Amino acid sequence: ETGVTQSPTHLIKTRGQQVTLRCSSQSGHNTVSWYQQALGQGPQFIFQYYREEENGRGNFPPRFSGLQFPNYSSELNVNALELDDSALYLCAGGGSGANVLTFGAGSRLTVL
Amino acid sequence: GIQVEQSPPDLILQEGANSTLRCNFSDSVNNLQWFHQNPWGQLINLFYIPSGTKQNGRLSATTVATERYSLLYISSSQTTDSGVYFCAVGVQGGSEKLVFGKGTKLTVNP
Repeated sequence: ETGVTQSPTHLIKTRGQQVTLRCSSQSGHNTVSWYQQALGQGPQFIFQYYREEENGRGNFPPRFSGLQFPNYSSELNVNALELDDSALYLCAGGGSGANVLTFGAGSRLTVL
Repeated sequence: GIQVEQSPPDLILQEGANSTLRCNFSDSVNNLQWFHQNPWGQLINLFYIPSGTKQNGRLSATTVATERYSLLYISSSQTTDSGVYFCAVGVQGGSEKLVFGKGTKLTVNP
């Protein structure tokens, strides 16, 4: 148990659909980051939220968007799904001034 | 942007053997972490080590920041050590964007 919970664990979508992935973090994690991990690769930074505002973004198109809520939960939304969006999506919580990220177990998305 | 290279990409050991995993990075960093990803995808932080040496049981890590590399040592390996080991670096420090290497896949056979 890491203190970061993600749902759903697995899901299958078809090309063009939209998906929402959820993350629940423990209190004290006032930053939340999302990473995409393609098969056989290291995780890639999508974006980070701090105090409900986007606070840094990686090289991902605008159809990847997010929300952070006051109760330490967060969402990752992906519109117009493409086959290459198939990946493990990881959420990570971090505290202000903390150096270590705590990752959830991930949501595995398959796009057909 | 900063580049992170890990070696070897794959490593197969017999239980009880020792191993060294290497991470090279292309620029100065304020944040370096080693992670273990188990077969179910869970990433577990092993060390936060932007410089110096740390030990935790059978695992230890050393980062030589001036030469831009870090080493992860696993001694007396066990089958439960199997998985992928990632090195991740950040340039700002704190819980900010991390750039991950491609990982070293470790298989420990009984």
